Order: sequence, then structure tokens, then C-alpha cells
Amino acid sequence: DVKVTQSSRYLVKRTGEKVFLECVQDMDHENMFWYRQDPGLGLRLIYFSYDVKMKEKGDIPEGYSVSREKKERFSLILESASTNQTSMYLCASSLVLLGTSGNIGELFFGEGSRLTVL
Amino acid sequence: DAKTTQPNSMESNEEEPVHLPCNHSTISGTDYIHWYRQLPSQGPEYVIHGLTSNVNNRMASLAIAEDRKSSTLILHRATLRDAAVYYCILRPLTGTASKLTFGTGTRLQVTL
Repeated sequence: DVKVTQSSRYLVKRTGEKVFLECVQDMDHENMFWYRQDPGLGLRLIYFSYDVKMKEKGDIPEGYSVSREKKERFSLILESASTNQTSMYLCASSLVLLGTSGNIGELFFGEGSRLTVL
Repeated sequence: DAKTTQPNSMESNEEEPVHLPCNHSTISGTDYIHWYRQLPSQGPEYVIHGLTSNVNNRMASLAIAEDRKSSTLILHRATLRDAAVYYCILRPLTGTASKLTFGTGTRLQVTL
């Protein structure tokens, strides 16, 4: 069974703290993604990575950084947490889409990490 | 990046068919149309995808307009367990990752 695991379901942090959100996938996927989800705003892409040590900005990268030192692990880092980063964070992974190989590039999501910054 | 537009919410009675629309007027010729759904307290999960032809699987059907500028996810008999947020996204045919934008989706309510 394919699995994307996020390290914490619930976190409470204080303003200014450094926060690490960890995501691990066991499917040998090349692509990994971090989204945040807020009421009325849907899922918004923060960063994504298509290979180890490679990263690209999504739609809302400000205030975040990421790390991909190993293929299976993609970390989201909040250098100095702020209250407006209180949100649900979702990690996803997918294979590289390879045309008509039968791989559709389906995204597999973790269960999410709900972060509250006080 | 190609974007999609969906209604914010829809309602259905149990056992009735549901048609969830999605507009993607700026779709490119190599974009796949993917649908995902998000049940309460869970991450989104894949439902179905298509390129040009209509598609069926055990969960749903996908009807794609001839000009590919819109598509419709069809749940043939809605159940209470189908109450979720449904997202339509465009998946570029590419060898590397690309920005996959989900938007706000359609919240489907199913009532008895």
C-alpha cells in the first residue's frame, strides 16, 4: 500500500519559533509537494521538488523554505513562525509523468499537519 | 499556468446522480484533466483522469467536452460517503514536476 507520512498531525508553536514539518514517502517517487489549506482559499502550492536537492517555488513560497536531502523525504521549514502561518499543511508525492507509459502522475497525499502558531 | 473554475458548492440527494462541472478554457493540448476529492479530515485522493475521451472507473465517470475547455465529473448514485470537496486540476504532460494548482474545489453535500 502506497503511503505518504507526515510527522505530526497537530503542532502548536509560538511566534518566532523555527518549525520543521517532515514528509516521507515509501513509493520511490521523484516529485514531492507541499501545500497549505485554508478555509475559502483551497489548496495552495508552497514548494515542490522533482529530484533530490532540487526545489521550485510554488504560488506562496514567502516565509517558507524546503529541504530534500533524500529522495523519500521532503521537509518544510518555517524559519520564524508567524500567526498567519496557522494552517493545515499537506504533503504529496507523485511519479514523474512519462507520456503514454501508463503512469498518470497521480498525486498521493498525506493526512495533513495542522499547525497553530500562537 | 492553466487554471480551472468550479462552483463553490453543490447539493444532491442520496441515490441521485451528481454532475460536477469544471471549466478550463486555457487548457493546452497536452494537459490531462485530473479529479481529486477530499473527505473530511483527510488529504485529497485521486478519483479519475482523462485527456480527450470520456472515461469510466469504479468511482465515477468523466465527460470531457469536444473542445476540452470543460469537463464534468459524474457520480452515478451519490451516497453520504461521497460528501467531500472535489477538485479539478490540469496535469501537464511533462517529464518533470510542475506547479499543480488545486484551487478551492466544489463542496458536495449529500442529503437523505
